[in-house]
Amino acid sequence: DQQVKQNSPSLSVQEGRISILNCDYTNSMFDYFLWYKKYPAEGPTFLISISSIKDKNEDGRFTVFLNKSAKHLSLHIVPSQPGDSAVYFCAASAGGTSYGKLTFGQGTILTVHP
Amino acid sequence: EPEVTQTPSHQVTQMGQEVILRCVPISNHLYFYWYRQILGQKVEFLVSFYNNEISEKSEIFDDQFSVERPDGSNFTLKIRSTKLEDSAMYFCASKRGGASGSTGTNEQFFGPGTRLTVL
Repeated sequence: DQQVKQNSPSLSVQEGRISILNCDYTNSMFDYFLWYKKYPAEGPTFLISISSIKDKNEDGRFTVFLNKSAKHLSLHIVPSQPGDSAVYFCAASAGGTSYGKLTFGQGTILTVHP
Repeated sequence: EPEVTQTPSHQVTQMGQEVILRCVPISNHLYFYWYRQILGQKVEFLVSFYNNEISEKSEIFDDQFSVERPDGSNFTLKIRSTKLEDSAMYFCASKRGGASGSTGTNEQFFGPGTRLTVL
C-alpha cells in the first residue's frame, strides 16, 4: 500500500536554514493532509494540516504547500532549529463518509545541526 | 493541555496469550482510533470507533482483535491470541468530531503508545 510516499528517508540541515520535507500521494479521494512529528518512544505529535480546498497553510515556522494537480505536498520549516530533529510523517485522509482513517507515509528523519 | 494517555507503556507476553491495551482519549473527543507501527515500517490504521461501534477497520483487524469503550473514559484494544507478528508499537488516537476532510478538519491526537513484545 503506497498511497502516501515520502521518498527521502532522511534530511540533514544546518540550524537557521530552511528544511523542506516532501510527500506524494496517489489516491484522488484524499482531501485532507496532515504532518506529524515523532520522537523515539513517543506518539506522533500533530504539527499542521491542510484541506484540499487550499494550497497553503502557515503556522509560525511551519508552512504546508499542497499541489493537487501533482498530488504533492511539502512541509517547510523556517528557520530550522536543533529541536526540530525528529521523524516527520505525512498523512492523508478521505472525507465524505470516511470516519477519518489516516494513511501515513514512511517518514523522513530530519536532523538539524547546530 | 489535554492529552491521550496509554497503559501500559510496555507489555511483554507469550505467544497465544490475550492482551488488553488501554487508552484514555481526550475527554470531549468523539472519534477513537487504534494504529500500530511495526519496527521499521509505517504507522498503519487498525480500527476507528464512533458512537459505540466500529466505524471502519483494516484487513489487519481480524477476528483476533476487538475494541471496547467500557465506560465514559477508557478505550481498549484486545488481542485474543497473540502472534509473534503482533509485536509492534500500538498507538491510540482521538479526534474531536464534526465534518472531516475538505469540509472540516481531521486532526487526530495520539497517545505515547504501548510497545507490545510477543515472545
